[in-house]
Amino acid sequence: VQLVESGGGLVQPGKSLKLSCSASGFTFSSYGMHWIRQAPGKGLDWVAYISSSSGTVYADAVKGRFTISRDNAKNTLYLQLNSLKSEDTAIYYCARRAHNLDYWGQGVMVTVSS
Amino acid sequence: DVLMTQTPVSLPVSLGGQVSISCRSSQSLVHSDGNTYLHWYLQKPGQSPQLLIYRVSNRFSGVPDRFSGSGSGTDFTLKISRVEPEDLGVYYCLQSTHFPYTFGAGTKLELK
Repeated sequence: VQLVESGGGLVQPGKSLKLSCSASGFTFSSYGMHWIRQAPGKGLDWVAYISSSSGTVYADAVKGRFTISRDNAKNTLYLQLNSLKSEDTAIYYCARRAHNLDYWGQGVMVTVSS
Repeated sequence: DVLMTQTPVSLPVSLGGQVSISCRSSQSLVHSDGNTYLHWYLQKPGQSPQLLIYRVSNRFSGVPDRFSGSGSGTDFTLKISRVEPEDLGVYYCLQSTHFPYTFGAGTKLELK
């Protein structure tokens, strides 16, 4: 099982960014997937979930601004981040499995600053 | 949201020693499917979290039997015996019974 995030970087407040999580080593389409983030020096915050059938759930802090999606043909999970705020600055991790988040990627850094 | 209260914040330990970490939830973590979705993770410096214990007491693949989890309802404990250098880092509990999923604030296991 391997999960590799990409797409992070420095972005101005109010702008957008799209993160990707490339999955391999398992049948991606069969698993629910999550995004979790960790602000610098802080703890872990769950961000969003997408089921194997593409149902979605979001944390209140990102609802209406972030969109989780998946492309099973490409074995890739996405997180579209819009209207970014300074408090969205964090390492973003993708993780596998609906309940027992068992495998995590190495994370990708998103910095929101002018 | 379910509040996860994890204690202690910092836990000094001697190599070879035994420690316990507590995690209490503000409501029951028993899911409607009968499972209790309380898990434990270790995050080593500069790394992503790694799953140690899932559903209260099940060791994940490759996790040594020095790690054990117990508890029920709202009160859960992770025990680490014969602490080794590779056990140092920050431990988190996670509840995935209720959306939004929530983590404990973390316990830093460090050498005395």
